[in-house]
Amino acid sequence: GAVVSQHPSWVICKSGTSVKIECRSLDFQATTMFWYRQFPKQSLMLMATSNEGSKATYEQGVEKDKFLINHASLTLSTLTVTSAHPEDSSFYICSARVPRRTDTQYFGPGTRLTVL
Amino acid sequence: ELKVEQNPLFLSMQEGKNYTIYCNYSTTSDRLYWYRQDPGKSLESLFVLLSNGAVKQEGRLMASLDTKARLSTLHITAAVHDLSATYFCAVDMEYGNKLVFGAGTILRVKS
Repeated sequence: GAVVSQHPSWVICKSGTSVKIECRSLDFQATTMFWYRQFPKQSLMLMATSNEGSKATYEQGVEKDKFLINHASLTLSTLTVTSAHPEDSSFYICSARVPRRTDTQYFGPGTRLTVL
Repeated sequence: ELKVEQNPLFLSMQEGKNYTIYCNYSTTSDRLYWYRQDPGKSLESLFVLLSNGAVKQEGRLMASLDTKARLSTLHITAAVHDLSATYFCAVDMEYGNKLVFGAGTILRVKS
């Protein structure tokens, strides 16, 4: 089956620093990847849709200058949290869609970010 | 704006009992997904429901979709402790381009 990995699985950083999270599709090419955020004991919220070779589409209320998304290849999308603050602490999960199939997203294992 | 409502939000069950989790949504969609999440983990796909009347079963879990009523159900039969997890439904708004998740149902199965 389709496998999606994320790196790192957890990260702790100081307030004001930037953190990059990688999302890779390991055995398929993903023209579209998605980034979700999940606060403790809450549901998943879509942050943005990442398309290979083009600018990401951000959901309403998500600051595109704070959450930089780059989808430079068909197997890699990155999310950079710039100038992180404690309120950015969350579980970030990416997913990827197999090309020409719109009925399934494959989820990565998630990255837990803690900002001190 | 699409709203997805799950109920109950918390469910404590005795082993061996049956129960149903409900997922209502507010706008037209033919696609609905059920996921399981264990503490500290990502999502595990359980069911993909792609048409009105779709019914799928896996082990002690069965999911159905009624697009006319905008309702999906996840039925648990003879619950066992291993089913303890958080269950999310998610509605596809834009043919694979946007999933909107329910709040999740925390299921605890007691021995």
